Amino acid sequence: SYVLTQPPSVSVAPGQTAKLTCGGDNFGSKSVHWYQQKPGQAPVLVVYGHNDRPSGIPARFSASDSGNTATLTISRVEAGDEADYYCQVWNRNTDHRVFGGGTKLTVL
Amino acid sequence: QVQLVQSGSEMREPGAAVKVSCKTSGYTFTSYAISWVRQAPGQGLEWMGWIGPYNGYTSYGEKFQDRVSMTADTSTGTAYMELRSLRSDDTAVYYCAREGLDLIAFDHWGQGTLVTVSS
Repeated sequence: SYVLTQPPSVSVAPGQTAKLTCGGDNFGSKSVHWYQQKPGQAPVLVVYGHNDRPSGIPARFSASDSGNTATLTISRVEAGDEADYYCQVWNRNTDHRVFGGGTKLTVL
Repeated sequence: QVQLVQSGSEMREPGAAVKVSCKTSGYTFTSYAISWVRQAPGQGLEWMGWIGPYNGYTSYGEKFQDRVSMTADTSTGTAYMELRSLRSDDTAVYYCAREGLDLIAFDHWGQGTLVTVSS
């Protein structure tokens, strides 16, 4: 089965830039989507496709991918950005949806 | 506005079944697929399967293939997920999520339903 690999944790100081990575095979053929989940809440889609954001998501959130790694970049990090972040793709070979294991972002 | 409202918390004994509902509003129910995702305590998100309400087509994750059924009632705009032969490690929050039209991303989520399996 298709596997997405995320680092368990990332720490960043307020005002700095956070880069959260997601590793997988053959990303070039897949769209990677990113979700933010705060404690006790449902996940929220923050970036989808090739760097599109749903309405209400600030432009500080952006995404890119290169080779076998996708990256969610959060610029000018705020305390309110502290959350778990998950990447997700659609595996067209199996028609299954796949999540990465998630990264806990800590704002120092 | 788009809303997905799930049924309340459930407690079951091992071996039993549970059925969770997800009532939608604010959009055309038959135009969007619904996926079910679960999250065990302190763990990550796990995709279980999806249903196309327009024709009832389903696709389940391998881990759940033998124990899960997903259905949709187009008259009420409600999706259902039934999980059978429950085990203690099925204790989790279960979410329904709407899939976007152009990309298979989850653009709206239910609030989650806690299912506890314990004797």
